[in-house]
Amino acid sequence: DQQVKQNSPSLSVQEGRISILNCDYTNSMFDYFLWYKKYPAEGPTFLISISSIKDKNEDGRFTVFLNKSAKHLSLHIVPSQPGDSAVYFCAASAWAGSYQLTFGKGTKLSVIP
Amino acid sequence: GAVVSQHPSRVICKSGTSVKIECRSLDFQATTMFWYRQFPKQSLMLMATSNEGSKATYEQGVEKDKFLINHASLTLSTLTVTSAHPEDSSFYICSARASTGETSYTFGSGTRLTVV
Repeated sequence: DQQVKQNSPSLSVQEGRISILNCDYTNSMFDYFLWYKKYPAEGPTFLISISSIKDKNEDGRFTVFLNKSAKHLSLHIVPSQPGDSAVYFCAASAWAGSYQLTFGKGTKLSVIP
Repeated sequence: GAVVSQHPSRVICKSGTSVKIECRSLDFQATTMFWYRQFPKQSLMLMATSNEGSKATYEQGVEKDKFLINHASLTLSTLTVTSAHPEDSSFYICSARASTGETSYTFGSGTRLTVV
């Protein structure tokens, strides 16, 4: 059973517009969520995280929203830039100090100039 | 959906011994397997990429003689940490991709290695 789901394998967005990447989870024990960005031939790099005590965390152009009741989180990128084109992974863990992450399958974002 | 089974989930070994970590794709053929090591602050370092039947491609700075990767079949890849030292203690994760055209990656559940 997939505990972290990214139902959109790909997304295309015009440069300057908002990119919204979605992630759903099923395990109610998860209370720490992360987004990673992956370029081809590189490992995923950590982008932004959110603890379940918050419903929003912002870092520059990147904002993550958490809806615990819906077990849903989303990553917003505003404005989108061509350099944002990459595969984005959603990950979750049972507590912030845990190394054990459960990953979604990724969403490939293409930002069109 | 696609599942990657990674074992063991936790292992404690003595310094100087070797440890093997397995990743199996349960319901698909994994053309490519990736091995990562997790560092503090959730950063993941790509250690190597392996394609079935060929030698793994190691990232710069990763010792190929220390971290032996074997991808003998389309459903199994193994990472062996040889002559483990305490500094090798970390969380290791594998990821599999079905074909070169796929953007969907399936991650294993990870292995927590502690070398004492």
